[in-house]
Amino acid sequence: KNEVEQSPQNLTAQEGEFITINCSYSVGISALHWLQQHPGGGIVSLFMLSSGKKKHGRLIATINIQEKHSSLHITASHPRDSAVYICAVRSGMDSNYQLIWGAGTKLIIKP
Amino acid sequence: KAGVTQTPRYLIKTRGQQVTLSCSPISGHRSVSWYQQTPGQGLQFLFEYFSETQRNKGNFPGRFSGRQFSNSRSEMNVSTLELGDSALYLCASKTSGGYTGELFFGEGSRLTVL
Repeated sequence: KNEVEQSPQNLTAQEGEFITINCSYSVGISALHWLQQHPGGGIVSLFMLSSGKKKHGRLIATINIQEKHSSLHITASHPRDSAVYICAVRSGMDSNYQLIWGAGTKLIIKP
Repeated sequence: KAGVTQTPRYLIKTRGQQVTLSCSPISGHRSVSWYQQTPGQGLQFLFEYFSETQRNKGNFPGRFSGRQFSNSRSEMNVSTLELGDSALYLCASKTSGGYTGELFFGEGSRLTVL
């Protein structure tokens, strides 16, 4: 079993729909990242969080440390949101930390 | 403020050759980390450098090496290339070393090994 699991693997939705992508992890973490990767390959960091909730524009990220679960929500989705969304967790401290990546969720928003 | 710059963006090599990739971090960022992304394995951590010292290392063979210069620019080198080394190599920079700090990624260097 992977230490970081994302669901769904693929998601297709219509423009305007509310999107939820989930990330569950099985290790202790110091932080969790949500990142976005467009077809060209470049990755953009969306959020880094260790507790609670963060919001940036139409994007909201939440994390529940007790349940070892995080969600990324997109409100009023738009075709330009089409990308792969990746969850990554930081496990360990100082020089022994690991960055463990989920497999990504491929999101397609249709106009 | 300029972002993270990786060069070259695309390159093709043959088995047995070596390759050097470059990463220039955001000005003021002293930490550079490298990642390999393949369709089968996803993203995997290679190593992190901070102030010219390797701080952390992933589970890759010794053919993969790196270094960081005094201006924080970093290079990674892969020797004796294998077909399985074909991947997108991404670097990320942040202000601090270790487990804290937000990551800023470059566009990646796409390596094809024939």
